[in-house]
Amino acid sequence: GAVVSQHPSRVICKSGTSVKIECRSLDFQATTMFWYRQFPKQSLMLMATSNEGSKATYEQGVEKDKFLINHASLTLSTLTVTSAHPEDSSFYICSASTSGGSLTDTQYFGPGTRLTVL
Amino acid sequence: QKEVEQNSGPLSVPEGAIASLNCTYSDRGSQSFFWYRQYSGKSPELIMSIYSNGDKEDGRFTAQLNKASQYVSLLIRDSQPSDSATYLCAVAGGATNKLIFGTGTLLAVQP
Repeated sequence: GAVVSQHPSRVICKSGTSVKIECRSLDFQATTMFWYRQFPKQSLMLMATSNEGSKATYEQGVEKDKFLINHASLTLSTLTVTSAHPEDSSFYICSASTSGGSLTDTQYFGPGTRLTVL
Repeated sequence: QKEVEQNSGPLSVPEGAIASLNCTYSDRGSQSFFWYRQYSGKSPELIMSIYSNGDKEDGRFTAQLNKASQYVSLLIRDSQPSDSATYLCAVAGGATNKLIFGTGTLLAVQP
């Protein structure tokens, strides 16, 4: 149980284009989903917290107009990187908690999306 | 001071030995503690969670928490080459109300 999928697993795009990444909880409803970014040899950095039916909460330094998050249902959240640039190249990972995102809830991670911007 | 600190390693242990991974955290209000394993190019996989002081065992893995010392550790008994990965310590609760990750410790189990 507690399986999270992401699509696509890998994407290569030209600078200036937009890329959408989907995160799905396959066997549970996720009221809260999280989006992380991981650069090589660095740890996961939380970008934003996504709550179903409401606006995402972005971490300091993360541009909400560049990283658009939509959490339209209890099983799907999307991250759109708009006007991507080479510095946005990274490993994007989503996670979902099995209930309301309280601090004791375990986060289950998707397999990640490797974004390369040329 | 980093919020969650881990020795980056690599920590090299022979097959069959005990691997000991350590983590310290700065926020005394932290409530939840997690160990994740991350293979190269893959996303993190949950190994253990621990919420109260003491030891918690699950198979070959034992998590240890000492809130007074702000210290959490992971022991891996009978280490296998397949255990070779980066182990991430993550802490939740306290002032920031979010999951904070350490930079991870690279474990290499030598056959």
